[in-house]
Amino acid sequence: QVTLKESGPALVKPTQTLTLTCTFSGFSLSTSGMRVSWIRQPPGKALEWLARIDWDDDKFYRTSLKTRLTISKDTSKNQVVLTMTNVDPVDTATYYCAREAVAGRIFDYWGQGTLVTVSS
Amino acid sequence: DIQMTQSPSTLSASVGDRVTITCRASQSISSWLAWYQQKPGKAPKLLIYKASSLESGVPSRFSGSGSGTEFTLTISSLQPDDFATYYCQQYHSFSGTFGQGTKVEIK
Repeated sequence: QVTLKESGPALVKPTQTLTLTCTFSGFSLSTSGMRVSWIRQPPGKALEWLARIDWDDDKFYRTSLKTRLTISKDTSKNQVVLTMTNVDPVDTATYYCAREAVAGRIFDYWGQGTLVTVSS
Repeated sequence: DIQMTQSPSTLSASVGDRVTITCRASQSISSWLAWYQQKPGKAPKLLIYKASSLESGVPSRFSGSGSGTEFTLTISSLQPDDFATYYCQQYHSFSGTFGQGTKVEIK
């Protein structure tokens, strides 16, 4: 059974660095073809893909946020970590981690999401 | 970036109705389109991929069609569990943009 769960702070101040952790089970990120992404959803708005890490440690970022994002993995702990620097109130959103399906860049398993509010 | 436009933004329907949601891409995406269902406070759930392939475990009342720039999601007979927001997502380009969503509410 595949599960993913996000964890991290609920409240972050502007200009701070946000660190989110995705802990998953039911698959291994050392298995060829496995990929995990971070996706966010501002309140009342559409979903937005942020970053992806692959089984071979390839990393991909949303172009507009590339300078602020870092994604990494700890295969032994079944975790993927996303850091976002210099946060702003517009970064307030529910952040999801999701497994990318074998069928392509779609997401077949998602975490429950974690709401992050950026406010002073 | 490829833009995805869904219509309508809100749809009022009754149980048993046939419901159709449209998603248009700003350029051709072939059949690289997925549909998700999201309920309040929950993560999205994959329903359909490659425009018309039903994800395992998804009821057959859901179907998808289209190619190029115009796509539809159809629910053949709306059930109480189907009241939710539906999103399309293109995966022709790496950014994998989502539509703005269509909320299906009770009439």
